[in-house]
Amino acid sequence: KQEVTQIPAALSVPEGENLVLNCSFTDSAIYNLQWFRQDPGKGLTSLLLIQSSQREQTSGRLNASLDKSSGRSTLYIAASQPGDSATYLCAVRRSGTYKYIFGTGTRLKVLA
Amino acid sequence: NAGVTQTPKFQVLKTGQSMTLQCAQDMNHEYMSWYRQDPGMGLRLIHYSVGAGITDQGEVPNGYNVSRSTTEDFPLRLLSAAPSQTSVYFCASSLREGGETQYFGPGTRLLVL
Repeated sequence: KQEVTQIPAALSVPEGENLVLNCSFTDSAIYNLQWFRQDPGKGLTSLLLIQSSQREQTSGRLNASLDKSSGRSTLYIAASQPGDSATYLCAVRRSGTYKYIFGTGTRLKVLA
Repeated sequence: NAGVTQTPKFQVLKTGQSMTLQCAQDMNHEYMSWYRQDPGMGLRLIHYSVGAGITDQGEVPNGYNVSRSTTEDFPLRLLSAAPSQTSVYFCASSLREGGETQYFGPGTRLLVL
């Protein structure tokens, strides 16, 4: 059974710091992995999607990497800003299925 | 495009009542899904559909029914509400294949007393 873990559950950093959020999964047979952002009381917004054949994706200050063999993905946020404060979730789609399994998220607070 | 819309935004039910949560998308997406989000448990997949007339169960399907008669709509029915179904419900849609980014609705907050 696929399990997705995100550590730490919460993180507080000063503005301007570079930071890394982690996502681990137990079954390497994935189709893709997606990172989302969720603001309080809102729905999820997709940030980056990495196909199983890819190693990384970049969008602006965000870079996501994927290492299927070790069951890990990282989301790198450069030069963090208070507007980056939100909960970040990762989700994996299992190969051969249309089912997505979500991690429990990392709650990020960037202090001005 | 309105994207993914959900109604109602908030609902209070009594135990045993039934209701339907509405979800619609105007992006011609084949794939639609329902999740529930509970504190400390992340999002869990309830049901999903890969096209009109095709539905399947996710991780936590008990107590919920779905149907997909059109590409645009994917309603979620609670047959007999229980306090354990108090949660925030999200609908999502995407293209079925390819680089299928999921688009989420704003959510429905449900309280079952």
